[in-house]
Amino acid sequence: AQKITQTQPGMFVQEKEAVTLDCTYDTSDPSYGLFWYKQPSSGEMIFLIYQGSYDQQNATEGRYSLNFQKARKSANLVISASQLGDSAMYFCAMREAQETSGSRLTFGEGTQLTVNP
Amino acid sequence: ETGVTQTPRHLVMGMTNKKSLKCEQHLGHNAMYWYKQSAKKPLELMFVYSLEERVENNSVPSRFSPECPNSSHLFLHLHTLQPEDSALYLCASSQDRGHLNTEAFFGQGTRLTVV
Repeated sequence: AQKITQTQPGMFVQEKEAVTLDCTYDTSDPSYGLFWYKQPSSGEMIFLIYQGSYDQQNATEGRYSLNFQKARKSANLVISASQLGDSAMYFCAMREAQETSGSRLTFGEGTQLTVNP
Repeated sequence: ETGVTQTPRHLVMGMTNKKSLKCEQHLGHNAMYWYKQSAKKPLELMFVYSLEERVENNSVPSRFSPECPNSSHLFLHLHTLQPEDSALYLCASSQDRGHLNTEAFFGQGTRLTVV
């Protein structure tokens, strides 16, 4: 079974508007961490934001915020005031506590975000 | 200078060739990884090295052979590849302390085309 599901292959947003990228996950581990990465056309994966399963508040990093709904097992990324440079692939990823060796991440299929001027 | 550097950026090789991908991290991390990124598929973890020892091999065919001579360098040796091995190969590193919030830092990848 897929552990990370991103149901939006592509999303479009107008510059300066907000956009939400969906991510749902599947784990039986009570302790886990959720990550979002951005991959521009250059190929490099850029870390954006982290949410721990026991964190009481939703994570925020500048224009990025995470809408964490634990009971629904969703961790949606919200980008506010979109900029043209936000156009990229966005990946949701998870690390489970049981995976103690090597700190491996499991990734979703990604969402291609296009910001229109 | 980026934290994780991969060379070459692009590689075209024949199925009978032998080539190597190189990854170098300048972050003092103790864990390094190879991921494969194919079109329209999630990133696939191939190999994990922690403290220079291989701790995971995710059923990767033997035509891919990793090498980690020290904590800063990671290689992926390639031989007799197939066209379906064409993909973006990403290297990553992290400071593995057993913490959930440890982020991985990625290189820009090597775009491999097997002809």
